[in-house]
Amino acid sequence: GAVVSQHPSRVICKSGTSVKIECRSLDFQATTMFWYRQFPKQSLMLMATSNEGSKATYEQGVEKDKFLINHASLTLSTLTVTSAHPEDSSFYICSVRGGTGELFFGEGSRLTVL
Amino acid sequence: GDSVTQMEGPVTLSEEAFLTINCTYTATGYPSLFWYVQYPGEGLQLLLKATKADDKGSNKGFEATYRKETTSFHLEKGSVQVSDSAVYFCALRVTGGGNKLTFGTGTQLKVEL
Repeated sequence: GAVVSQHPSRVICKSGTSVKIECRSLDFQATTMFWYRQFPKQSLMLMATSNEGSKATYEQGVEKDKFLINHASLTLSTLTVTSAHPEDSSFYICSVRGGTGELFFGEGSRLTVL
Repeated sequence: GDSVTQMEGPVTLSEEAFLTINCTYTATGYPSLFWYVQYPGEGLQLLLKATKADDKGSNKGFEATYRKETTSFHLEKGSVQVSDSAVYFCALRVTGGGNKLTFGTGTQLKVEL
């Protein structure tokens, strides 16, 4: 299976700043990665599908200018939360689709916006 | 739309107790069903899955049977261990929906000695 690593695992930032979260596929070349968001005591919600070398596909209701996704290589996708506000505080999780179609998840990144 | 409903946690059990975590779903098509587990500090891992009605998924002593008539996929284990303490997520994926998973809210399990 694929090993997926996220960085940072925790980040605290001031309101109005931008934060970048990295998702790396350590042992698998991933043409597709997925970004999820999880609010406390709620489901994981798919935010967008990150496609290597092309634009990300965003789910309905997700602001693409707010959540910038870049998938510049087969092993790295980044999620940038621009002009973050307290309501953006959440747990962000990425996943990679492996060769068999199974999804492998990163350990998640907890963002707190003050 | 598609949705998954799980029992709320936390569920606290003594070691060797029987575990059931309920999961029911609604789906527009014919879904595949999954249980994922998230141990503290780690990412979600696939625990087991079932792709059609009456299939039983099993792994590490956990089992779940795809019940189309009750739209359920309850997770069971006959004898839990402290090491099973984790958060368990039920999820579905509808055929033709790519790899888009719809998750339940997760159920935290705490197993005590």
